[in-house]
Amino acid sequence: DTEVTQTPKHLVMGMTNKKSLKCEQHMGHRAMYWYKQKAKKPPELMFVYSYEKLSINESVPSRFSPECPNSSLLNLHLHALQPEDSALYLCASSLTHGQGPPQHFGDGTRLSIL
Amino acid sequence: DAKTTQPPSMDCAEGRAANLPCNHSTISGNEYVYWYRQIHSQGPQYIIHGLKNNETNEMASLIITEDRKSSTLILPHATLRDTAVYYCIVRGSQGNLIFGKGTKLSVKP
Repeated sequence: DTEVTQTPKHLVMGMTNKKSLKCEQHMGHRAMYWYKQKAKKPPELMFVYSYEKLSINESVPSRFSPECPNSSLLNLHLHALQPEDSALYLCASSLTHGQGPPQHFGDGTRLSIL
Repeated sequence: DAKTTQPPSMDCAEGRAANLPCNHSTISGNEYVYWYRQIHSQGPQYIIHGLKNNETNEMASLIITEDRKSSTLILPHATLRDTAVYYCIVRGSQGNLIFGKGTKLSVKP
């Protein structure tokens, strides 16, 4: 069991749809992350939020829009995605960002783009 | 790019200790070594991390060499449920976790 909860677990959407992925943690962590993982590849960082502010965007296309409404919630808004965006999207959190505190991951949302 | 090097795969007999090596020859003095594992269709699970001293928790032990250029994760009594991909990670310059390809550990009966 993980203390980082991601919903939905699975999502199928068309290229013209708008959907959102949700991530929640109640460990008092002030850093939250989105990763993308393609099949048989390691996770790749997309975004870092530190104290509810976006601190790192790893050159992610604008069709992915992150949002951090409060210290416990992290959303990823999706619009006009491409088939190559099909992947496992992982959320993680840590006490703070940087050396020291480890990140804890959710089990991800498996996204399929038709 | 990942700052660590791991063997792509290893086998271990059930009940025996699994020793997973990792090289991180370019590690800086203030950088930690983190170990995660990922079981199929789940998110990465944090195992342990360390800076200089050896560390032990309920899951594993981490042995870091004195020059800090390599480390070994030890699972003392491997079970079939320990079959997973194990990632050794040294954070990047911005403090990010940069995953390499990891070691696929297969625990066999």
